Amino acid sequence: GDSVTQMEGPVTLSEEAFLTINCTYTATGYPSLFWYVQYPGEGLQLLLKATKADDKGSNKGFEATYRKETTSFHLEKGSVQVSDSAVYFCALTANQAGTALIFGKGTTLSVSS
Amino acid sequence: DVKVTQSSRYLVKRTGEKVFLECVQDMDHENMFWYRQDPGLGLRLIYFSYDVKMKEKGDIPEGYSVSREKKERFSLILESASTNQTSMYLCASTGQETQYFGPGTRLLVL
Repeated sequence: GDSVTQMEGPVTLSEEAFLTINCTYTATGYPSLFWYVQYPGEGLQLLLKATKADDKGSNKGFEATYRKETTSFHLEKGSVQVSDSAVYFCALTANQAGTALIFGKGTTLSVSS
Repeated sequence: DVKVTQSSRYLVKRTGEKVFLECVQDMDHENMFWYRQDPGLGLRLIYFSYDVKMKEKGDIPEGYSVSREKKERFSLILESASTNQTSMYLCASTGQETQYFGPGTRLLVL
């Protein structure tokens, strides 16, 4: 079945460091891909998404490119801030409206000043 | 902005109690979901609903039921709470291929 694998955490960085969180997927169709973020004590918020191959999603300085050839959707940010400390989830859907998302297990990011 | 609200942020119940978790969305979305989130396991789908009075089992429906009497409201029911149902419960609704989540209910079953 479809699945998402993301790098184990926690990831610990200093402020202004470069961030990469790896995400790869297995899917039979042509899924849409998502990154969600969960700040402490809160629900998940959509960070960015891409709906087809080679699309780049971006938001708040974060970027991820949908790579069909490597089945990957790695999250990157050029300069992290303390406020980026959160849990990041990679997810996919089968591209049918209303289909539940399949999530990776989440990667905890901790940024220190 | 889409808003998904959950009735409680924190809940403490005793083993054997019947527990109701309520979720309301204000965007007229047809599809609604209940997940549980546990450390090291990520999010797992319990049930979802694609219309009023319709429901589908997710990956871990055992010990849970749901109710969707109105389009905006989706309730998760723990028929007889057990300690292994201590978890964070997240509700979501879908619009434009995006899921919008509520803030979560952290349930402790003693």
